[in-house]
Amino acid sequence: SQQGEEDPQALSIQEGENATMNCSYKTSINNLQWYRQNSGRGLVHLILIRSNEREKHSGRLRVTLDTSKKSSSLLITASRAADTASYFCATASGTGGFKTIFGAGTRLFVKA
Amino acid sequence: GAGVSQSPSNKVTEKGKDVELRCDPISGHTALYWYRQSLGQGLEFLIYFQGNSAPDKSGLPSDRFSAERTGGSVSTLTIQRTQQEDSAVYLCASSPGRGANVLTFGAGSRLTVL
Repeated sequence: SQQGEEDPQALSIQEGENATMNCSYKTSINNLQWYRQNSGRGLVHLILIRSNEREKHSGRLRVTLDTSKKSSSLLITASRAADTASYFCATASGTGGFKTIFGAGTRLFVKA
Repeated sequence: GAGVSQSPSNKVTEKGKDVELRCDPISGHTALYWYRQSLGQGLEFLIYFQGNSAPDKSGLPSDRFSAERTGGSVSTLTIQRTQQEDSAVYLCASSPGRGANVLTFGAGSRLTVL
């Protein structure tokens, strides 16, 4: 079973606009991570936020975490056509915090 | 190695045959993960290893699926008596197994069962 649910399932925007993706999860977590996947193959890590953090920035990425609501959001500002990809949130839990479960993902399409 | 290596990259097999998928993690990474991804879907957790031990096998879909890891390094995912619904991309990832535990993924093995 999947830990996280993401919305929207798909998002289409114009280049230059901001893209916001949301993730909800079910159990207590140690941290939450966001990954990107191009062309249905390996995922690439984007950013990690720990359970005691509320917001984190990395370049054009901004991640928020609300542990009371068990939810996170990923904001990509000033989107580019090259940002077109699928984005997944992942939560780490379990003993040692190593069991990592992925959400269903959001497919982002940025039109040039 | 420099990255996570998976082989074969593509495998076409007939229904009922057994297949083995191999994952060579980053040197020194103690944690290793297997996921399955069907076309256009999310990642389905299968199993993860910490060293040679598998603390959580709860994601394996049936007893036709098994995985092992030897020497704290290479892992093999075996699917016996393959079925058409096993067709998917099988992704392997490894991580340091400590600290923030960021996963590094391989390119995946695409399995097609005819």
